[in-house]
Amino acid sequence: GAVVSQHPSRVICKSGTSVKIECRSLDFQATTMFWYRQFPKQSLMLMATSNEGSKATYEQGVEKDKFLINHASLTLSTLTVTSAHPEDSSFYICSATGGRGEQYFGPGTRLTVT
Amino acid sequence: GNSVTQMEGPVTLSEEAFLTINCTYTATGYPSLFWYVQYPGEGLQLLLKATKADDKGSNKGFEATYRKETTSFHLEKGSVQVSDSAVYFCALMRPSNTGKLIFGQGTTLQVKP
Repeated sequence: GAVVSQHPSRVICKSGTSVKIECRSLDFQATTMFWYRQFPKQSLMLMATSNEGSKATYEQGVEKDKFLINHASLTLSTLTVTSAHPEDSSFYICSATGGRGEQYFGPGTRLTVT
Repeated sequence: GNSVTQMEGPVTLSEEAFLTINCTYTATGYPSLFWYVQYPGEGLQLLLKATKADDKGSNKGFEATYRKETTSFHLEKGSVQVSDSAVYFCALMRPSNTGKLIFGQGTTLQVKP
């Protein structure tokens, strides 16, 4: 089946620094990718919709200047957490939409901000 | 607004036991409903889905029926295996928001031999 990868799988950074997370669709082209955030023992919360070649659409309450999304190609979307703080520590998951509209999820990235 | 509520876990069962994980939803219009499964260390995978009332989704022995009258989409399996141990997420997608999924909080299933 379709595969979506994320890199890195886990990252630790210091408060105030920026971290970039990559999401790649490995065997299909994805015009739309989604970024989710998951807190421990909680649901996945949609952060933003990433469209290839255009600006991302952010959900209410998500700071677009803090969570920068770039969808530069049909197989790659990146999420950059700028000036990270401990409260940004979370599990970030991306998904990519295939040709028939089904979503394929990446394995997630564990971000820890110290 | 739109939301999904799942029964809290963890759910612990013995092998070959019957499984039910409850899921109810609140939505405007007629959403599509999904069950996703997340095995340890892996990404979410679509388990089954239903797109209209009374539809039954099924896969790998799991079933769920879209019940509009009770706004429910309960997941069932007649005989669970140890390999079914995972986290199960119920989700909905509104017709007007193709692609945007709203998830329940997830239910952890542990199956013991």
